[in-house]
Amino acid sequence: EVQLVESGGGLVQPGGSLRLSCAASGFTVSSNYMSWVRQAPGKGLEWVSVIYSGGSTYYADSVKGRFTISRDNSKNTLYLQMNSLRAEDTAVYYCARDSYSSGYMDVWGKGTTVTVSS
Amino acid sequence: AIWMTQSPSLLSASTGDRVTISCRMSQGISSYLAWYQQKPGKAPELLIYAASTLQSGVPSRFSGSGSGTDFTLTISCLQSEDFATYYCQQYYSFPPTFGQGTKLEIK
Repeated sequence: EVQLVESGGGLVQPGGSLRLSCAASGFTVSSNYMSWVRQAPGKGLEWVSVIYSGGSTYYADSVKGRFTISRDNSKNTLYLQMNSLRAEDTAVYYCARDSYSSGYMDVWGKGTTVTVSS
Repeated sequence: AIWMTQSPSLLSASTGDRVTISCRMSQGISSYLAWYQQKPGKAPELLIYAASTLQSGVPSRFSGSGSGTDFTLTISCLQSEDFATYYCQQYYSFPPTFGQGTKLEIK
């Protein structure tokens, strides 16, 4: 079964760091474009970052320079390293697979919640 | 970035109704549009891609149309499980962007 399972969310103080993980099963992370999408409480969806199968990475302007997307091929796992966290980063973070590397997302994890608060 | 206007933001309807949701782009995107359904506390689920192609396993009462700047999601005969929030997403240009969402509620 094709599945994504996120972990690593939690409560962190402003300025702190957190690393999110997304374990994949049923397909190979490194063969696909993989994205992170977040949703602030009561708000809509916001694309955060993508890593292409070739390894190129891209970020939303709102997180550029603070977040880093990566993957561990041996573990078939996607990561999001989040540094210098701000209150506005509070959200549910979803990892998602880009279908056939086309730009739309056909497989989503259940999400992990990040709360940035003092 | 491409701006998206999704309307209405709130839609009240009854089981059995036919409803439409609109998504308008600030510039043409050919058919590079997807629709997602999200239920409370759950992850989004892909319904339609390439503006009108139904994702595998999605009921045929869902349909999508449009190209260029104007797109529509239609649910032909609402079922109880369809009451949710719907989002459009463009993937024509970078960064990918989502509409603001349409909450479909029971009248």
